[in-house]
Amino acid sequence: DGGITQSPKYLFRKEGQNVTLSCEQNLNHDAMYWYRQDPGQGLRLIYYSQIVNDFQKGDIAEGYSVSREKKESFPLTVTSAQKNPTAFYLCASSTSLTADTQYFGPGTRLTVL
Amino acid sequence: GENVEQHPSTLSVQEGDSAVIKCTYSDSASNYFPWYKQELGKRPQLIIDIRSNVGEKKDQRIAVTLNKTAKHFSLHITETQPEDSAVYFCAASFKGGSQGNLIFGKGTKLSVKP
Repeated sequence: DGGITQSPKYLFRKEGQNVTLSCEQNLNHDAMYWYRQDPGQGLRLIYYSQIVNDFQKGDIAEGYSVSREKKESFPLTVTSAQKNPTAFYLCASSTSLTADTQYFGPGTRLTVL
Repeated sequence: GENVEQHPSTLSVQEGDSAVIKCTYSDSASNYFPWYKQELGKRPQLIIDIRSNVGEKKDQRIAVTLNKTAKHFSLHITETQPEDSAVYFCAASFKGGSQGNLIFGKGTKLSVKP
């Protein structure tokens, strides 16, 4: 999982602003994922992508958008439409979308002021 | 939709005791079951996994057992140490829908008291 990086580690945003979280991997993985984690809670899937230029909504996609223009990169935009965006955001990747291990990045903690 | 149930949500043990966390899954097609450990503020890290053609797998103090008929699998930690304190997540593979390739349980917070 050392091959997945997320930036920034901490991010502060004012209400009404869009913000983009970066996720990069050098593991040559086809599949990438974004999860949201609230304090003391589990992992909730926001979006996932199994190949370049393709992505699918997860359980809580409303208020978020993604792009997958390059295999290595899967940025997540938290839009002003997301009502409660303060959370810990985790990016992950796996070899493919089959039964396979997901490796996680270090996370970005987003706080809305 | 498909889901993974994980119990207990919190577990407190004395150092040196064993800890057991149990998960059940609903998708009979699931064939891969990883376990992750997440320390406070850190990323989840894979600690052990098992595939459906195996009933048990061990790695030092950690073991995972799988009962495909009953659709449940368990994590066993022996001789617990304070550094085992963390949140543990189980997961089961899934082939589609809005859940990607793994469905995660809600986690178990393990506290090991010295």
